[in-house]
Amino acid sequence: AQSVTQLDSQVPVFEEAPVELRCNYSSSVSVYLFWYVQYPNQGLQLLLKYLSGSTLVKGINGFEAEFNKSQTSFHLRKPSVHISDTAEYFCALNTGTASKLTFGTGTRLQVTL
Amino acid sequence: DAGVIQSPRHEVTEMGQEVTLRCKPISGHNSLFWYRQTMMRGLELLIYFNNNVPIDDSGMPEDRFSAKMPNASFSTLKIQPSEPRDSAVYFCASSPGAQVDEQFFGPGTRLTVL
Repeated sequence: AQSVTQLDSQVPVFEEAPVELRCNYSSSVSVYLFWYVQYPNQGLQLLLKYLSGSTLVKGINGFEAEFNKSQTSFHLRKPSVHISDTAEYFCALNTGTASKLTFGTGTRLQVTL
Repeated sequence: DAGVIQSPRHEVTEMGQEVTLRCKPISGHNSLFWYRQTMMRGLELLIYFNNNVPIDDSGMPEDRFSAKMPNASFSTLKIQPSEPRDSAVYFCASSPGAQVDEQFFGPGTRLTVL
């Protein structure tokens, strides 16, 4: 069975500061990794995904993530956050054997002035 | 494209009543997913369909929950009878159908059972 761990339930950060949201996974087979963002009272939307190729993946809104197979990690980063980045961020994986995603518990990013 | 459409957006009902949540996936998408989100348990996959056929319903909490997908453009999630612990936000998502693919989420239905 596979799993996704997001150790940080909340990450407070000041505007224009860099941020890293951590995601670690466990799987006995190859994985495909995703980051989703959920703004208040909305559904989830895709930020970025890693399917194959370059391990550094760039997404929307200036976010990027790096797939590290040896560390079984897929951390999300942004060099300078904005107030509008305040949201819940979910890491998810797919093993390619079925359509469904396995989600982490989410990290709430709170950006303040 | 209008995206995934869910109705109603909010539902308040009394314990014991039947509740039906509706979802229209993105046209051309072959996979449909129902999720439940609560503060306590986070985001849980309840059931998903491929080509209108239920593939995995292991997340359905109990027999009070049922889901159908009579055609490629419509799905329902029914709770009968409803209980206060069913209060949550229910999301529907669809994907084009390849095994590894992005899921597109609807805005959710916020259900409150009194």
